[in-house]
Amino acid sequence: DAGVTQSPTHLIKTRGQQVTLRCSPKSGHDTVSWYQQALGQGPQFIFQYYEEEERQRGNFPDRFSGHQFPNYSSELNVNALLLGDSALYLCASSFGTPGYTFGSGTRLTVV
Amino acid sequence: RKEVEQDPGPFNVPEGATVAFNCTYSNSASQSFFWYRQDCRKEPKLLMSVYSSGNEDGRFTAQLNRASQYISLLIRDSKLSDSATYLCVVKDSGNTPLVFGKGTRLSVIA
Repeated sequence: DAGVTQSPTHLIKTRGQQVTLRCSPKSGHDTVSWYQQALGQGPQFIFQYYEEEERQRGNFPDRFSGHQFPNYSSELNVNALLLGDSALYLCASSFGTPGYTFGSGTRLTVV
Repeated sequence: RKEVEQDPGPFNVPEGATVAFNCTYSNSASQSFFWYRQDCRKEPKLLMSVYSSGNEDGRFTAQLNRASQYISLLIRDSKLSDSATYLCVVKDSGNTPLVFGKGTRLSVIA
């Protein structure tokens, strides 16, 4: 039974560029949440998708956007990258609450 | 004030020691409480849920004091493999996100 799969595992981008991160939820899970974890910090909630709609959003600017597809997979897009966007981006899937399963993350470095 | 605050750490302890982590949360509406473990450069993994009556899982004991909005984790007989960052996590009811503390790093030394 595959858990949460995230791609790519590592990514290096230049300031001002755009990036798309991908997440496939655990089988049977219909909700996907995205978190940003800067070095030395706890994960911070970005947003949550359910039934292809953004259901909740944390305190992140509009440069951060997302999408959920009919198969429940999800994408996180970040536009106009800043050095401060360098972080580990974690995807967590769930079905009901609390039952969160985290993917191993995408490590984004902005140079 | 941060929603979830933890001991800053790091904690460096010898094998076999008992170590306690403390956490406070600001949102009195929080309904669910957890301790997650995160190994270096890996994803967080659920260590245990925390219940009002307190609960134990082997060498790990978690306590919750709703009146004081305080959560604790006690690790007895520390092992080298316990070295990790321990994240205190709270959640409101319903479809609300997990709220993480900054984490406390533990190093168990031989």
